[in-house]
Amino acid sequence: DSGVTQTPKHLITATGQRVTLRCSPRSGDLSVYWYQQSLDQGLQFLIQYYNGEERAKGNILERFSAQQFPDLHSELNLSSLELGDSALYFCASSVSVLGRNTGELFFGEGSRLTVL
Amino acid sequence: AQSVSQHNHHVILSEAASLELGCNYSYGGTVNLFWYVQYPGQHLQLLLKYFSGDPLVKGIKGFEAEFIKSKFSFNLRKPSVQWSDTAEYFCAVNPNRDDKIIFGKGTRLHILP
Repeated sequence: DSGVTQTPKHLITATGQRVTLRCSPRSGDLSVYWYQQSLDQGLQFLIQYYNGEERAKGNILERFSAQQFPDLHSELNLSSLELGDSALYFCASSVSVLGRNTGELFFGEGSRLTVL
Repeated sequence: AQSVSQHNHHVILSEAASLELGCNYSYGGTVNLFWYVQYPGQHLQLLLKYFSGDPLVKGIKGFEAEFIKSKFSFNLRKPSVQWSDTAEYFCAVNPNRDDKIIFGKGTRLHILP
């Protein structure tokens, strides 16, 4: 158990719909990362938050958005869903030292999204 | 474009064989380097990491990796693999010690008993 909790574990929805994925980081970790894992693209970095603020952005589509709340949990919102959005979405929290991430990530078990 | 490359997408070995998985990155400057492993049905977990110092780092379960700065490489090795090493292995780079952590596409390792 990594200490990172993601819900839901599985989600099936239709094209055009909107879903919200939730992540609770390990106790004490201020940083949350979101990744998308698909067979053809591997593990793609989407976005990162540190203590409520967006710190880094990767290949995140405009249809996707995220936020980190004061209690440090994070949500990834996916809207106008397309078939190609079907993937495993991972959240990870990171060890920080003096406000800087070490890069060592602790992953949740992922949320598997299927868009029909 | 800056990237992390894992050259072997799928590797099949017999038990007790030696393993080397390649990882190259194209970021300049200072980097932190990682190998993560994802066992079937499980989440990714850290295998080993390099921040600075001795370029040969040892991780869990007998794995080690060598950072060769001149080659921009961080190859993973294990002298004798076991069936339980069957998993997907990901190389990751934290470039310039900023907040992005970029992963390679992974190598699926299958160990034959």
